[in-house]
Amino acid sequence: GAVVSQHPSRVICKSGTSVKIECRSLDFQATTMFWYRQFPKQSLMLMATSNEGSKATYEQGVEKDKFLINHASLTLSTLTVTSAHPEDSSFYICSARAGHPNTEAFFGQGTRLTVV
Amino acid sequence: KQEVTQIPAALSVPEGENLVLNCSFTDSAIYNLQWFRQDPGKGLTSLLLIQSSQREQTSGRLNASLDKSSGRSTLYIAASQPGDSATYLCAVSFYNQGGKLIFGQGTELSVKP
Repeated sequence: GAVVSQHPSRVICKSGTSVKIECRSLDFQATTMFWYRQFPKQSLMLMATSNEGSKATYEQGVEKDKFLINHASLTLSTLTVTSAHPEDSSFYICSARAGHPNTEAFFGQGTRLTVV
Repeated sequence: KQEVTQIPAALSVPEGENLVLNCSFTDSAIYNLQWFRQDPGKGLTSLLLIQSSQREQTSGRLNASLDKSSGRSTLYIAASQPGDSATYLCAVSFYNQGGKLIFGQGTELSVKP
């Protein structure tokens, strides 16, 4: 299957700082990318959907000013957690899909964010 | 609202057993359904993708079925092994959600030697 690379895999930051997570599709053009958040022992919760060149569509309850998503190219999307707090500590996973919604979505390896 | 439900939440079986994991969804208008495996602290490994026009997919000891009209999918694991221990997630791409993948809560499987 296609490869989606997510970086970094782990990050520890201080409260109040911002953290950027990158999601790259290595061998295909990702017209749509998704960002998920996963708390321990829970499933993946969709945070937002981004289409290349457009503003991201956020799910209800997700603060768009706190979780900035940029999808500036067909191979790269970034999630920036601004002014991070300990409650933002979580596992963040991106997913990428090329073309039609019936095509397979491929997932990155995830980023473990710890805010201290 | 489209939802995905997985039952049971946890399952423990002895090695060698055949087992079935269940996934149900509330809207039959779907693009596809995917089954994933997640090991503790790790990302997702894609197991099987079933398009809405398909009834089943097979990969090795895994077989996934799809009954769109009843809103159900099953993942059958044959001759389970301790290495199969993981959390299994199903995710559905709904028409009315623009193809967003909505995940079930997962089934945590433990296969005892």
